[in-house]
Amino acid sequence: DVKVTQSSRYLVKRTGEKVFLECVQDMDHENMFWYRQDPGLGLRLIYFSYDVKMKEKGDIPEGYSVSREKKERFSLILESASTNQTSMYLCASRLLLGTDTQYFGPGTRLTVL
Amino acid sequence: SQQGEEDPQALSIQEGENATMNCSYKTSINNLQWYRQNSGRGLVHLILIRSNEREKHSGRLRVTLDTSKKSSSLLITASRAADTASYFCATENYGQNFVFGPGTRLSVLP
Repeated sequence: DVKVTQSSRYLVKRTGEKVFLECVQDMDHENMFWYRQDPGLGLRLIYFSYDVKMKEKGDIPEGYSVSREKKERFSLILESASTNQTSMYLCASRLLLGTDTQYFGPGTRLTVL
Repeated sequence: SQQGEEDPQALSIQEGENATMNCSYKTSINNLQWYRQNSGRGLVHLILIRSNEREKHSGRLRVTLDTSKKSSSLLITASRAADTASYFCATENYGQNFVFGPGTRLSVLP
């Protein structure tokens, strides 16, 4: 079974702090994704990566950056956390675009005070 | 932009009843997938239906796809309390990323 893990289930940070969210998958998937989920808005794509060191902006990249130095690891970085970034963050991985399902991690609930 | 939108937003039924959720989208798709999310957890894939398929079954789940109406439905038969969750449809156009709808929150009452 594919396993996608996220470094923290719950995280509380202060405004202005730099925040790192880590995601690791164990199935050698090419594609990895970061979403945020807010009530009534569903999942919105922040960034995705289709290969090591490659990244593409999703629908809401502002205020975020990402890093993919190894195939299995995809990090989401909040350079200077703000209260409007309080949300549930979900990481996902996928082998192939167009033919395959996505596997999600358990999520990180981030609160920015 | 294409977007799956689920209907209803919330659904409450008694255990043993059937639950039907609908998803509408705007543009052509390659496939449509349904996911379940238990409270505060990640999403779990339920079923994938391709654009050339009309119906698929998996256990107590039945999914239909009508590409002429740009809509899909998810039927859960003989619901159980453990089916209580949010259900999302995700549409995918060729080579593009998934687009998720806001979800239907299903409550199955014992």
